[in-house]
Amino acid sequence: EIVLTQSPATLSLSPGERATLSCRASQTITNYLAWFQQKPGQAPRLLIYDASNRATGIPARFSGSGSGTDFTLTISSLEPEDSAVYYCQQRNSWPRTFGQGTKVEIK
Amino acid sequence: EVQLLESGGGLVQPGGSLRLSCAASGFTITNYPMSWVRQAPGKGLEWVSSLRETDSNTFYIDSVKGRFTISRDTSKNTLYLQMNSLRAEDTAVYYCVKLTNTWFGDFWGQGTLVTVSS
Repeated sequence: EIVLTQSPATLSLSPGERATLSCRASQTITNYLAWFQQKPGQAPRLLIYDASNRATGIPARFSGSGSGTDFTLTISSLEPEDSAVYYCQQRNSWPRTFGQGTKVEIK
Repeated sequence: EVQLLESGGGLVQPGGSLRLSCAASGFTITNYPMSWVRQAPGKGLEWVSSLRETDSNTFYIDSVKGRFTISRDTSKNTLYLQMNSLRAEDTAVYYCVKLTNTWFGDFWGQGTLVTVSS
């Protein structure tokens, strides 16, 4: 089973600041990684797929990068509505696995 | 517009059974892979099961193998998850997820809560 480790656990930043979230895989997953955003009481929303492709309707301030085992989600300029938990997920192999999540708090 | 409407959750005793349903609209479930993902209270996301659209091949996380069965009714455009021998650790919100053809979840239902408790 591929383990995805996200860091940091919590990120507290002000509006307009840049957020950098990390996801590290226990073995190579080429670029088969997605990022999801989940707000309280809501279902997750797909942000990024195949490491760097923005999903439909996702603002350009969200970007993804990386390949192999190390991946990054960047929010270039935080908005208040970006307060959420962010999860990475791999589709390289079964079982599909998620990271434990990074909580982004807006000061 | 793609919509996924889950139903069938509720309170069940350990060892009991439930069948979750996911009524899909705005697309045809035979054209896309589909999954169930769960989230225990206050915890992260856990992939449970997937069904491949082309050959109906199924995939499960080890902890539910032999107890859960994913299936679909094409005439009703509905996905199911039959859950037997339920355990306390199966307590979670269960999400029905439409996958892209590259196997990432692009549409999620609002979830249905399953509580396993005596």
